[in-house]
Amino acid sequence: DAGVIQSPRHEVTEMGQEVTLRCKPISGHNSLFWYRQTMMRGLELLIYFNNNVPIDDSGMPEDRFSAKMPNASFSTLKIQPSEPRDSAVYFCASSLLQDNTEAFFGQGTRLTVV
Amino acid sequence: AQSVSQHNHHVILSEAASLELGCNYSYGGTVNLFWYVQYPGQHLQLLLKYFSGDPLVKGIKGFEAEFIKSKFSFNLRKPSVQWSDTAEYFCAVNNNNAGNMLTFGGGTRLMVKP
Repeated sequence: DAGVIQSPRHEVTEMGQEVTLRCKPISGHNSLFWYRQTMMRGLELLIYFNNNVPIDDSGMPEDRFSAKMPNASFSTLKIQPSEPRDSAVYFCASSLLQDNTEAFFGQGTRLTVV
Repeated sequence: AQSVSQHNHHVILSEAASLELGCNYSYGGTVNLFWYVQYPGQHLQLLLKYFSGDPLVKGIKGFEAEFIKSKFSFNLRKPSVQWSDTAEYFCAVNNNNAGNMLTFGGGTRLMVKP
């Protein structure tokens, strides 16, 4: 398996624009997580899905952020409108929804909002 | 709710020195514990994990960690570090009652001087 695949790897956008980050989990995994990493706040869990259903989105910072998982092999994280403080690395991770298992991370998307 | 504390934010060592990074968690039930490593510019990779059994866990690259339940700790150790161990290290916890939601500590940046 190719692992968790995220796209794009880098995104530079202007403030106010819509940004969509994409994630393809490992085939067969049924839990998916979106994390944000910044120097100031470290790794923050934004939202996670089990079997394509959002379970906990309490980490989503504002209504400008939304995430979807229309099927088991694809998820998006959207920011609309984007702001400079959204600049961060966004990681997607996936795992099996079963006891005693670890999460596998994608390469991340480095987002810069100017 | 579960939480993780890493007390050392930055550690600087010379090659061949011994390493111990502290990790404490708070959760009253059964937990799974992890150490992830993030090399500069890369994604998080699993270093080692503890689910049950022997509390002394061996991981990759000579790392080990010891789960001490009475102290709610899962410290990472390596007897002799190398320059290539320069990275950020994250302790993480999940529990089987929370849908595998992984909570991370703030991370420890390790710099190994050649």
